[in-house]
Amino acid sequence: EIVMTQSPATLSVSPGERTTLSCRASQSVGSDLAWYQQRPGQAPRLLIYGASNRATGIPARFSGSGSGTEFTFTISSLQSEDFAVYYCQHYNRWPLTFGGGTKVEI
Amino acid sequence: EVQLLQSGGGLVQPGGSLRLSCAASGFTFSSYAMTWVRQAPGKGLEWVSVISDAGDATYYADSVRGRFTVSRDNSKRTLYLQMNSLRVEDTALYYCAKNQLLGTSHWHWFDPWGQGTLVTVSS
Repeated sequence: EIVMTQSPATLSVSPGERTTLSCRASQSVGSDLAWYQQRPGQAPRLLIYGASNRATGIPARFSGSGSGTEFTFTISSLQSEDFAVYYCQHYNRWPLTFGGGTKVEI
Repeated sequence: EVQLLQSGGGLVQPGGSLRLSCAASGFTFSSYAMTWVRQAPGKGLEWVSVISDAGDATYYADSVRGRFTVSRDNSKRTLYLQMNSLRVEDTALYYCAKNQLLGTSHWHWFDPWGQGTLVTVSS
């Protein structure tokens, strides 16, 4: 099983700031990586697939990069609605696994 | 608009069974693989199972293999998760989600997700 490790667990930032989240895979997953946002009380929402492709309707302030075992997710200028938990997920092989999440808080 | 409407959660005793449903609309259901993901209270996301578009291939997390069965009825546009021999640690919010199809290739990232249905296993 590929273990996905996200860091940090919690990130405290101010509106308007740039923030970067990290996701590390225990084995190479190529570019088979997605990022999701989960706001409190809501279902997760797809933001990024293929490590760097924004999903339909996702604002340009969200971006992803990386390949192999090291990935980053960046929000260029945090808006109030961006305070949430972010998860990475690989889909390179079975079983699919998620990272433990990074909570972005004010 | 793509919609996934879930039903079937509830309270069940350890060792009991429950079946979850996920009714799809707004897309050609029979063309897409579908997924179940769960989230224990206050915890992160855990992938549970995937079923192929035709229903002829299924995949499970080790934690549920042999106890859970994923199925689908393409004529009813509905996905199911039959959960048997339930354990306290199966308590979670269960989400169904639509996998992706690019050309003729199926990809296992998930968009959109259902609203979730709560399963509580307790005596």
